Amino acid sequence: DAGITQSPRYKITETGRQVTLMCHQTWSHSYMFWYRQDLGHGLRLIYYSAAADITDKGEVPDGYVVSRSKTENFPLTLESATRSQTSVYFCASRPPGNPYEQYFGPGTRLTVT
Amino acid sequence: QQQVKQSPQSLIVQKGGISIINCAYENTAFDYFPWYQQFPGKGPALLIAIRPDVSEKKEGRFTISFNKSAKQFSLHIMDSQPGDSATYFCAAGGYENFNKFYFGSGTKLNVKP
Repeated sequence: DAGITQSPRYKITETGRQVTLMCHQTWSHSYMFWYRQDLGHGLRLIYYSAAADITDKGEVPDGYVVSRSKTENFPLTLESATRSQTSVYFCASRPPGNPYEQYFGPGTRLTVT
Repeated sequence: QQQVKQSPQSLIVQKGGISIINCAYENTAFDYFPWYQQFPGKGPALLIAIRPDVSEKKEGRFTISFNKSAKQFSLHIMDSQPGDSATYFCAAGGYENFNKFYFGSGTKLNVKP
């Protein structure tokens, strides 16, 4: 099915470990985004990408790394997870010709113990 | 500093009633104000959006009211239904580039039958 998928949907990891969250979209949208959602903060932009090999920082990029070698994939890596990174992570993409609307994936709930 | 402030945090409305959610922003350069609806376990989905050149936009039972001088905007849900029970997020952005949006903290709406 066309759309945007995230994996895993749930992840528990320990402090200091590296973890990668995957995002895949089938629309071939150029723009892709990573957000974290925390109670009381809404959604905050971590990183975004305008195309393959083009990425830029958002509001809260510290502690995260992104890459985009293919248009359809946009993985988010926590190089050394901390408890403050416990959150729900959403990937999104933006269709061409519409500069504002974003389509969100189902989210990944990450717990860092 | 929180760019977009949203209230209330939670809202209980009887079926058929009007749900009102308010947001305020700081940056007068914002030029796009979307509202997103999120059901449990799902990613947010664009509900309705407004530009600052109009004071009101209506789509079905959903209306955005925009007050540029007060830097406030609100979502009105008329004839609220149990199926409207969800978390609603306002957002603002678009002035730096189309990729950076600032979200409110969310309002959890419960419409009672």
